[in-house]
Formats: sequence, structure tokens, C-alpha cells
Amino acid sequence: NAGVTQTPKFQVLKTGQSMTLQCAQDMNHEYMSWYRQDPGMGLRLIHYSVGAGITDQGEVPNGYNVSRSTTEDFPLRLLSAAPSQTSVYFCASSYSQSSWETQYFGPGTRLLVL
Amino acid sequence: AQSVTQLGSHVSVSEGALVLLRCNYSSSVPPYLFWYVQYPNQGLQLLLKYTSAATLVKGINGFEAEFKKSETSFHLTKPSAHMSDAAEYFCAVSDMWGYSTLTFGKGTMLLVSP
Repeated sequence: NAGVTQTPKFQVLKTGQSMTLQCAQDMNHEYMSWYRQDPGMGLRLIHYSVGAGITDQGEVPNGYNVSRSTTEDFPLRLLSAAPSQTSVYFCASSYSQSSWETQYFGPGTRLLVL
Repeated sequence: AQSVTQLGSHVSVSEGALVLLRCNYSSSVPPYLFWYVQYPNQGLQLLLKYTSAATLVKGINGFEAEFKKSETSFHLTKPSAHMSDAAEYFCAVSDMWGYSTLTFGKGTMLLVSP
């Protein structure tokens, strides 16, 4: 199993551009989520999904959009990039939505918005 | 609402010394607690988790943590530090009756000197 994969590893955007961060898992996990990591802030939840076709907002959803058309994929869309969205983005998945489940993290995407 | 406080953004120890990383949580419902480790330029990896079965939890790489409800703490310890333990450590909490969404602390960077 490849686990949780993320592409691209690194991206530079100009303010106002849009892009999609890809996340895929091959473990047939029900639950998937996106976090952003900023220095001294820990990780903060952006959006999550408890199954195909079901998504919900986390702590910092503004400026981001998600969809979940398949169990495997959970892309994160930046609608109009802003410098405040410069961050490292992590996708995670777990077997179920139960809160005791271990979450498995991808390697991250580093995004720089100029 | 839940929150996690990690005391000390940086902790320095000598190789062979005791490692103690502090985590205190706030939760209005019974929590599940997790410690994750992040090595440079990598995603997060689970060290251990408390899911109410036993208050002393043993994890990978010789780490353990004790859940103390009266102190609302879940400190991470290791008897003897190794150079390979140098990394950033995150404490996280989830709601026992909610989804698998994690609230993270801000992280503690562990520095190990020879």
C-alpha cells in the first residue's frame, strides 16, 4: 500500500490564482481530512469528509473548497490564493469516523503564495 | 470545545537523559488523546494514543504517556533519549462522542545533544 499520497510536493502561486491540492489513499478509509500547519500554530483542521459525497467544515475553512466523489480521493481547492494561505498542507485518513481511530498523514504539500 | 496546551516550544536534552514533554488538555466531554511525531520534511506519525482502556500507554520507540484525569494531563516520557528522537512532537485530542477530528497543540521541538 502507498498509504496517503499528496501532490504536488511544492507549489508557488501568485495572489489570485487557483489550484487544487491532490490527496489519495489506497487503504479504503472512510474518513479523510485536510489540515494546514503554520509555524508555532500546530495543525488546524480545514475540511473533513466522513464518506463519499459527505464533507464538512473544520476550524479554518475560508478560502478552501473540497469534494469527495470517491472513497480514495479528497482534493482541496484554493479558489483565489492569498499570501495568508502560504502554509504546509497535510491530508490525513482513518479507517472510520470514530474518534479513537488513528489518523494516517500524507507527506504534505508546501505552498507559497506571492 | 477542546484545546491542548503543550508547555515549551523547545525542549533540549542530552543523549541518554530522560525525555519529558508536557501536554495538558481541556475538554467538556471524555477525551481521546494522541501523541504524534514529525520528523523534518515529513508527515505526522502516531506514537501512541489513549482510548480509555489503560491510563499508562506504551508507544513506539520506547515512548510512553500517562493519562491523569485529575490533572488533565497526558505527558510523554522516554527514559533515555537517543539522537534519532530529535523531532517535533504534537499532542492532540478528539471528542469521545464526536468524529475523528483532532485538535492539536502547537508542538514541542525536541533537541538531543551528544
